Amino acid sequence: GDSVTQMEGPVTLSEEAFLTINCTYTATGYPSLFWYVQYPGEGLQLLLKATKADDKGSNKGFEATYRKETTSFHLEKGSVQVSDSAVYFCAPHGNDYKLSFGAGTTVTVRA
Amino acid sequence: EAQVTQNPRYLITVTGKKLTVTCSQNMNHEYMSWYRQDPGLGLRQIYYSMNVEVTDKGDVPEGYKVSRKEKRNFPLILESPSPNQTSLYFCASSGRWGNSPLHFGNGTRLTVT
Repeated sequence: GDSVTQMEGPVTLSEEAFLTINCTYTATGYPSLFWYVQYPGEGLQLLLKATKADDKGSNKGFEATYRKETTSFHLEKGSVQVSDSAVYFCAPHGNDYKLSFGAGTTVTVRA
Repeated sequence: EAQVTQNPRYLITVTGKKLTVTCSQNMNHEYMSWYRQDPGLGLRQIYYSMNVEVTDKGDVPEGYKVSRKEKRNFPLILESPSPNQTSLYFCASSGRWGNSPLHFGNGTRLTVT
């Protein structure tokens, strides 16, 4: 099935710092790409998505650009807040219905 | 409100006692799936279903069963639970697979003693 290689955590930052989480994927065809976020004690929820090459997804100050040539979908935020502390998961939704998420990247933002 | 509902939220049981975790979605989604989340291993897919009466194995199907008799429901069945199935379980659903995001339930924390 499709798979991702995601930056290992945990990542600890101070408030207002810049955050980057690297994600590269392998998938059949041209998948749509998603970032999901899991806040403490909750299920995953959609953060942002991009459905074709060079698309930029954005939400809550986070951005990621679909790079077909490097098969990457890196997540960035220019100024993190304590409320951004969560686990982040990158996921390609390709032609294969099988999808496991891996360990994700745990981000902790200190005030 | 559009949602995926799992029950129960917490369950403690003993080895070998059959149990079912229910999952229901009210969004008329075709695709549904089950995951388990374990420390250091992330979320691993157990089973998925592309539509009614169509199911297939994910990465870790051993010890689990599923059924999809109706579009809205996708129960996870543990016929004979064992301690290594102690985990946090999530159900998820999606519209047309590919461009649509997964919608997750709030999870079921299962402990098997």
